[in-house]
Amino acid sequence: SQELEQSPQSLIVQEGKNLTINCTSSKTLYGLYWYKQKYGEGLIFLMMLQKGGEEKSHEKITAKLDEKKQQSSLHITASQPSHAGIYLCGADRRNRDDKIIFGKGTRLHILP
Amino acid sequence: DVKVTQSSRYLVKRTGEKVFLECVQDMDHENMFWYRQDPGLGLRLIYFSYDVKMKEKGDIPEGYSVSREKKERFSLILESASTNQTSMYLCASSATTEAFFGQGTRLTVV
Repeated sequence: SQELEQSPQSLIVQEGKNLTINCTSSKTLYGLYWYKQKYGEGLIFLMMLQKGGEEKSHEKITAKLDEKKQQSSLHITASQPSHAGIYLCGADRRNRDDKIIFGKGTRLHILP
Repeated sequence: DVKVTQSSRYLVKRTGEKVFLECVQDMDHENMFWYRQDPGLGLRLIYFSYDVKMKEKGDIPEGYSVSREKKERFSLILESASTNQTSMYLCASSATTEAFFGQGTRLTVV
């Protein structure tokens, strides 16, 4: 079955620094989603990538999907305390309609 | 904006109790989901529903049941709560594959 591996599991960065979170799939991704979760709350949709080589940005967060559609990276530029939380990647599971599988998440802490 | 509302943010229940977690969405979505989230395990799908009165088991259905009598409401039921069901529970709804999540219910079973 398709699985998503996220790395790193946990990340601590100084405010103002850049950082990257990776999401790797064992199979080709048909749709890749990035979500953010503030501690103890629900998930907030960030962006969706579908095409190989696609890149999207939202404020200081940029996500890319590689050409082979098996790896995505989420990059945050000049991190701020508001970026702290858990970032999850999710992917379409095409053999079971309309469901998304998730990575285990990356816990991001921002040091002031 | 899509709104998915879970009835409780925090719940504390005793072992053996029957527990109901309620989820309501206001966008007429066909699909609704219940996940639980645990440290180191990420999100795992418990049950999902494609339509009223339809339900399908997810990856970890044991110890849970669901009810969908109306399109907008999807309930998760713990028939006899156990301590290993202490977790964060997240409800989601979707029309296509993009899912919208509730704020989560942190359930503690003592």
